[in-house]
Amino acid sequence: EAQVTQNPRYLITVTGKKLTVTCSQNMNHEYMSWYRQDPGLGLRQIYYSMNVEVTDKGDVPEGYKVSRKEKRNFPLILESPSPNQTSLYFCASSKLLAGATGELFFGEGSRLTVL
Amino acid sequence: QKEVEQNSGPLSVPEGAIASLNCTYSDRGSQSFFWYRQYSGKSPELIMFIYSNGDKEDGRFTAQLNKASQYVSLLIRDSQPSDSATYLCAVTTNSGYALNFGKGTSLLVTP
Repeated sequence: EAQVTQNPRYLITVTGKKLTVTCSQNMNHEYMSWYRQDPGLGLRQIYYSMNVEVTDKGDVPEGYKVSRKEKRNFPLILESPSPNQTSLYFCASSKLLAGATGELFFGEGSRLTVL
Repeated sequence: QKEVEQNSGPLSVPEGAIASLNCTYSDRGSQSFFWYRQYSGKSPELIMFIYSNGDKEDGRFTAQLNKASQYVSLLIRDSQPSDSATYLCAVTTNSGYALNFGKGTSLLVTP
């Protein structure tokens, strides 16, 4: 089954404790992206990657890191989480069509709470 | 940040009516336009995409694009209670890679 898998789905952590949210896709998509979704603010792009070893900042990259060492994986790293990073996080992937993002396939989301 | 604007709603329509959802965007270089549906507590899922000016129809859904006015719309014909959800407009930036979402319009279809 074609899917984007995120882990963990739910996490409660404390300020400053490094964490990683993993994302893996099995569709051989070139493009992967992380979004956070907050009430009243909608979906905001954190980072995206057009291919292995190629990443770029979205609209809200502060406090986050990513890496794309393999095509299928795109982990999101919070080096020193803060309460304002409490949010619902979505990983998504897409084929690139004519060099542009196509249909995004989303993971089920990871709800993160930072105390 | 490139802006994608939608009315938050809620937009309430009776069952069987046409629902009209609108979206404006600020980046004149945008090339690709998407409509996603998101049920409460679920992930967004693609309904339609459109790249060229004009209308594109898929079943009960019609997407309309006017690049000169920087306007995208989604029409849902014969609305059903199962269409009740938040509809997200998404627009690629000039680079074609970054994809910006509007805040979404909440649609309620009443029986």
